[in-house]
Amino acid sequence: AQTVTQSQPEMSVQEAETVTLSCTYDTSESDYYLFWYKQPPSRQMILVIRQEAYKQQNATENRFSVNFQKAAKSFSLKISDSQLGDAAMYFCAWKGGLNSGGSNYKLTFGKGTLLTVNP
Amino acid sequence: GAGVSQSPRYKVAKRGQDVALRCDPISGHVSLFWYQQALGQGPEFLTYFQNEAQLDKSGLPSDRFFAERPEGSVSTLKIQRTQQEDSAVYLCASSLAPGGLSNEQFFGPGTRLTVL
Repeated sequence: AQTVTQSQPEMSVQEAETVTLSCTYDTSESDYYLFWYKQPPSRQMILVIRQEAYKQQNATENRFSVNFQKAAKSFSLKISDSQLGDAAMYFCAWKGGLNSGGSNYKLTFGKGTLLTVNP
Repeated sequence: GAGVSQSPRYKVAKRGQDVALRCDPISGHVSLFWYQQALGQGPEFLTYFQNEAQLDKSGLPSDRFFAERPEGSVSTLKIQRTQQEDSAVYLCASSLAPGGLSNEQFFGPGTRLTVL
């Protein structure tokens, strides 16, 4: 079974600064996807960024980027120029790829990291 | 366009009552998922539908939990004889493609269930 671990229950950052959220995972699959989701107090999960395991290049989406280390099974999220609206719970998630065995449709989530942005 | 909607947003039930939680996925989305999110935890998979077919219900905690999607659009998660441990946020998600081909699940705002 796949597991996702987020070792930082809470993080804080000053507005306009950079913060990195950590995530490690355990899987025997070679084909999979990794995600970072944001969950604000409204509870609506929003996809922040996605990484395909077969791609060596780290994904970026504007101020959000990842550091994907496949051998180390590490997938950290870097938020640059932090804004007040970035404050939320952030969840790291894993999903098997099309060529992975078993259930390649359900997301496996970590426990989340609560990010606070200080003005 | 409209996203995934869920109703009610909040539900308080007395222990032993039956509840029904509704999910309206994005129109045309083939796949529909239910997740349970306990307080302070990440969501955990409950069940998966491809159109009207329930292809995976391995995450349902007990036989008191039942989900359906009879016409391949709206889905209902029913919990019979609710227990305090059922208190959680229930999230619904949908995706355009069949599960294995899907790279993004769109989530609803969830229903917070409190069992007294």
